[in-house]
Amino acid sequence: AQTVTQSQPEMSVQEAETVTLSCTYDTSESDYYLFWYKQPPSRQMILVIRQEAYKQQNATENRFSVNFQKAAKSFSLKISDSQLGDAAMYFCAYRRGETSGSRLTFGEGTQLTVNP
Amino acid sequence: EPEVTQTPSHQVTQMGQEVILRCVPISNHLYFYWYRQILGQKVEFLVSFYNNEISEKSEIFDDQFSVERPDGSNFTLKIRSTKLEDSAMYFCASSEVVFTDTQYFGPGTRLTVL
Repeated sequence: AQTVTQSQPEMSVQEAETVTLSCTYDTSESDYYLFWYKQPPSRQMILVIRQEAYKQQNATENRFSVNFQKAAKSFSLKISDSQLGDAAMYFCAYRRGETSGSRLTFGEGTQLTVNP
Repeated sequence: EPEVTQTPSHQVTQMGQEVILRCVPISNHLYFYWYRQILGQKVEFLVSFYNNEISEKSEIFDDQFSVERPDGSNFTLKIRSTKLEDSAMYFCASSEVVFTDTQYFGPGTRLTVL
C-alpha cells in the first residue's frame, strides 16, 4: 500500500520570505501523480500544484514550485514571497497513475503560519 | 470557473439517525469521490463512483454507508445509522475520466453526531 509522510506538523515563515514543506512517499508503482492541496481555516481543499511522475521537470505555479526527487521518493513544496493568505494546512497527496479514478492518499498535513 | 458544491454545510444529527449528504460534481466530470476528515486528522478516502457503480471503496466504507447518483447532477452519501465516531468533515470530489485526472473538492459538509 502507498503511504505519504509529512514530517513537519507545523512550519512558520515571515511574510515575503521563502518556505519549503517536506513530503515523502512510498510506492512500488512507476506511474503516479503527486499533489499539494491547501486547506485554509474554511476547511475547503484547494489544489495548489500537481506533478506527474514521468516528468523530470519540476512543476511550478506562480509562487509555488516543487522539488520532485523520484529516486528519493521526495516531493517538497516551495512557497516563495510568502503572503498572509498562504497560511493554511498543506496536504501532500499521492495517486497511482495506471487507471483513472484512483483514490488519493494523503499525508498528515503541515500547518503553515505566516508572520507579518 | 466550475466548482463542486455540497449541501448542507453543517449537519447535526442524533446517534442512530440516518443522514444524507449531497454533492453536485463539476458537470463534465464522470468520476465522483467521498473523503472524510476527522478533526485534527488526515483526509481519508471512502469511496469512488463511476458509471453508476462503486469503482473502489476503503475499509471505512462499511455497510452503514451507501452512495447514489439519483439524477444527472447529484451525488449522495448516505449514512444509515450514525455513530459518534462518524462526526467529521465529509468532502465530495470529482474528476474527468482521463489518466491525468485531477480531483477537485467541494467545500465539505461538517457532520456532528450527538
